[in-house]
Amino acid sequence: QQQVKQSPQSLIVQKGGISIINCAYENTAFDYFPWYQQFPGKGPALLIAIRPDVSEKKEGRFTISFNKSAKQFSLHIMDSQPGDSATYFCAATRPGRRALTFGSGTRLQVQP
Amino acid sequence: GAVVSQHPSRVICKSGTSVKIECRSLDFQATTMFWYRQFPKKSLMLMATSNEGSKATYEQGVEKDKFLINHASLTLSTLTVTSAHPEDSSFYICSARPTSGQETQYFGPGTRLLVL
Repeated sequence: QQQVKQSPQSLIVQKGGISIINCAYENTAFDYFPWYQQFPGKGPALLIAIRPDVSEKKEGRFTISFNKSAKQFSLHIMDSQPGDSATYFCAATRPGRRALTFGSGTRLQVQP
Repeated sequence: GAVVSQHPSRVICKSGTSVKIECRSLDFQATTMFWYRQFPKKSLMLMATSNEGSKATYEQGVEKDKFLINHASLTLSTLTVTSAHPEDSSFYICSARPTSGQETQYFGPGTRLLVL
């Protein structure tokens, strides 16, 4: 059972554009939602994370938007750069189960 | 800060041998570490949760006798793939959750295992 659904599977954006990746979750017990960036052959690196009591969080060019009623959250990458080309994973965790439940991943390609 | 290392980064072994992968939190203590497996172009699949000083908790379908996990200290967890076979070839990644209570997990760089 996939508890975190991520879309799109792949995304091509022009340099300077906005990249938007969406995730939806099913389990209302989830209370922590991080986004990870992964380059080929490397481990995931934490980008930004949010809790359900906040509707938006911004760190540099990265913004998470959170809609608790819709059980959806999204990552926005402003002014996308070729160096942002990577796979992005959303994830969620809940009290009592500290392991992360990952989305299926989005391969982002930013064209120069 | 919050650096997690893994060793080795890459290993090639013959079928039937055992391989040990180490995961270390370098600048923080981690009561809990996690082991994931990732197939090419796929998401991370949780294999087990490693708790310092106690037995690991394995996910459904993961053979605990096949994938031995030891969490001997607050900074070290090891995964041993016993009697490895070609189907065990994969990218193994660990993560560590700080003892300080943060929800954040920090990932290691991964270990590429190839079983011939």
